[in-house]
Amino acid sequence: SQQGEEDPQALSIQEGENATMNCSYKTSINNLQWYRQNSGRGLVHLILIRSNEREKHSGRLRVTLDTSKKSSSLLITASRAADTASYFCATALIQGAQKLVFGQGTRLTINP
Amino acid sequence: KAGVTQTPRYLIKTRGQQVTLSCSPISGHRSVSWYQQTPGQGLQFLFEYFSETQRNKGNFPGRFSGRQFSNSRSEMNVSTLELGDSALYLCASSLDRGQDTQYFGPGTRLTVL
Repeated sequence: SQQGEEDPQALSIQEGENATMNCSYKTSINNLQWYRQNSGRGLVHLILIRSNEREKHSGRLRVTLDTSKKSSSLLITASRAADTASYFCATALIQGAQKLVFGQGTRLTINP
Repeated sequence: KAGVTQTPRYLIKTRGQQVTLSCSPISGHRSVSWYQQTPGQGLQFLFEYFSETQRNKGNFPGRFSGRQFSNSRSEMNVSTLELGDSALYLCASSLDRGQDTQYFGPGTRLTVL
């Protein structure tokens, strides 16, 4: 089973609304990262949050991390059509290989 | 700084052939990771190279291999292609570690017929 699992798998909202995506993971992490992917293209890094941090902001993005619940959320405020993309969380595990493990992603559609 | 570049962008091969994909990382980045992305399996880690050495490896058969050159450029090779190898292959670079922020290239879309 996946280390990181996003919820929901797909989300469709109206432009201007806020979008919230969640990520749950199973084992202890060094950091958790969020990436965006436009259709069929490379991923773009959004935010990295370390295990000792609880919240980070970047523009219209807000990421929270709850290590006790092994979960993170990504909030996009005042969504725009250009935010339409797939969003992935990636976890950097403490144990094992020093790599990122990606979840299956949330497909976000912003309707004009 | 120039971003991560991957060549070629698109590739069509037939079963049994082999293929080599190339990746040039961001200048100064020493870690290069490769991922396979398919609709069914999502993003799967292939391997990571650092200073010309494979530092981490995912759960892929030996048909998948790679290498890194002294200028940090990396190649991956897939031999004896199978239909299931059709995927988007993504290369990403980072400063030092595979757990650092990854900067992705646009990917190579491989289709195996």
